[in-house]
Amino acid sequence: LAKTTQPISMDSYEGQEVNITCSHNNIATNDYITWYQQFPSQGPRFIIQGYKTKVTNEVASLFIPADRKSSTLSLPRVSLSDTAVYYCLVGDSPFDTGRRALTFGSGTRLQVQP
Amino acid sequence: EPEVTQTPSHQVTQMGQEVILRCVPISNHLYFYWYRQILGQKVEFLVSFYNNEISEKSEIFDDQFSVERPDGSNFTLKIRSTKLEDSAMYFCASSEIKNTGELFFGEGSRLTVL
Repeated sequence: LAKTTQPISMDSYEGQEVNITCSHNNIATNDYITWYQQFPSQGPRFIIQGYKTKVTNEVASLFIPADRKSSTLSLPRVSLSDTAVYYCLVGDSPFDTGRRALTFGSGTRLQVQP
Repeated sequence: EPEVTQTPSHQVTQMGQEVILRCVPISNHLYFYWYRQILGQKVEFLVSFYNNEISEKSEIFDDQFSVERPDGSNFTLKIRSTKLEDSAMYFCASSEIKNTGELFFGEGSRLTVL
C-alpha cells in the first residue's frame, strides 16, 4: 500500500480556507485517494474521494495533480466545528475485488481558532 | 440516514476475561471491518470480512481475536482473553461492494481492561 505523508498539525481561523496536502509518491495506477475526518471519541467520517484532477462536494474539494503523487484537501471557510483530525488514505480501489483494507496514517490535526 | 451501530458504547472488564463487541452494519452493505484506536494513537486496521469469511487481517488480529456474522445482521468481534493493551476504542465499519470506497464507521465501543 502506498505510504502517505501529511503535516502533523495545522492552525487556522474561522472563515479561512484551509488546504491540507498529502504526499503519496508510491501511489499505484488503480489507487484512489480518500480523505476522512475524525472528531475526538468518534469514528472516522468520509469526506471526499478522487482519482485525478479535481473533485468537489458540499463539504470540500480535492485537488490531484496529473502525476498523482500528492493531493490537497481544501476546506472552504472553516468554522470551529471543523476542528478535527484529517486523514489522507490511498488505496482501496473500488475496482479491486480484493478490497484491500484502508490503512490510516497519523493524520493532520486541524485546530480552528475563533 | 442509515448508520452503523455498535454496542456496548463502553465496557470495562478484567484482564483475562472474554469480551464480545457487537455491530450492526448498514443493511445493504457487504463488506465489514473492525478497526481500533488506542487513546492518542492512530486508527489501526484489524480485520475485514466479506461473504462470511475473513478477507484480510492485520498482525494485531492474532488468535485471541475472532469475528463472526451470526445472524445476517450482527457482526461481532470477540477477544478471548483480554490483555491490558487491548484497552482501546473499537470501531466497526461497513461498505458497499461497488461504491466509491466509502467506509461508514460506527461511533465505537470503548474497551477498558483492568
